Amino acid sequence: AQKVTQAQTEISVVEKEDVTLDCVYETRDTTYYLFWYKQPPSGELVFLIRRNSFDEQNEISGRYSWNFQKSTSSFNFTITASQVVDSAVYFCALHTGNQFYFGTGTSLTVIP
Amino acid sequence: DTGVSQDPRHKITKRGQNVTFRCDPISEHNRLYWYRQTLGQGPEFLTYFQNEAQLEKSRLLSDRFSAERPKGSFSTLEIQRTEQGDSAMYLCASSSHVGGLSSYNSPLHFGNGTRLTVT
Repeated sequence: AQKVTQAQTEISVVEKEDVTLDCVYETRDTTYYLFWYKQPPSGELVFLIRRNSFDEQNEISGRYSWNFQKSTSSFNFTITASQVVDSAVYFCALHTGNQFYFGTGTSLTVIP
Repeated sequence: DTGVSQDPRHKITKRGQNVTFRCDPISEHNRLYWYRQTLGQGPEFLTYFQNEAQLEKSRLLSDRFSAERPKGSFSTLEIQRTEQGDSAMYLCASSSHVGGLSSYNSPLHFGNGTRLTVT
């Protein structure tokens, strides 16, 4: 069975702090993709990053970075120097076969 | 690329009424997905199309729900005899899928959703 777990329900940080959002996934498939999406108060889910199962190289893109570790089935997402506009619900998702499986989301509040 | 658009943004209906939502995907995308999202939860898969063919439906999708994508472009989701438990945000997403040895799936691109309230 496929499953995505985001144990952090809510996180609050003060502006300019770094914040890491945790994601743990379960799948028996060897080929899959992992995603992070952002859902601001307006409601639209916005694609942020994607990683495939064969590429564990961690990268930085602007203020975003991610840590993909197959050994622990984790795909954590870090926002550096957080800003108020980062306040949103963040979803981790697993894509395998023809399906996308979403976690329950982490609500991030950045306090000015 | 004008994005995925959904209509209406909000729908309030009385229990027992039928409702229909429309989704216009990104034009070059061949896959179209419907999801449902309730408060505090992630999107739950309902069904998806590849071109005009409906390839998979969730067990969550009761017989009161039907979706179509008649010409492989826009899609409609109809809920018959609505119940209060149907109140949710209905999200449409599209993606580009290429099969075969060099299989490729683009990320899902979501619309703004249709918020349904059943009174």
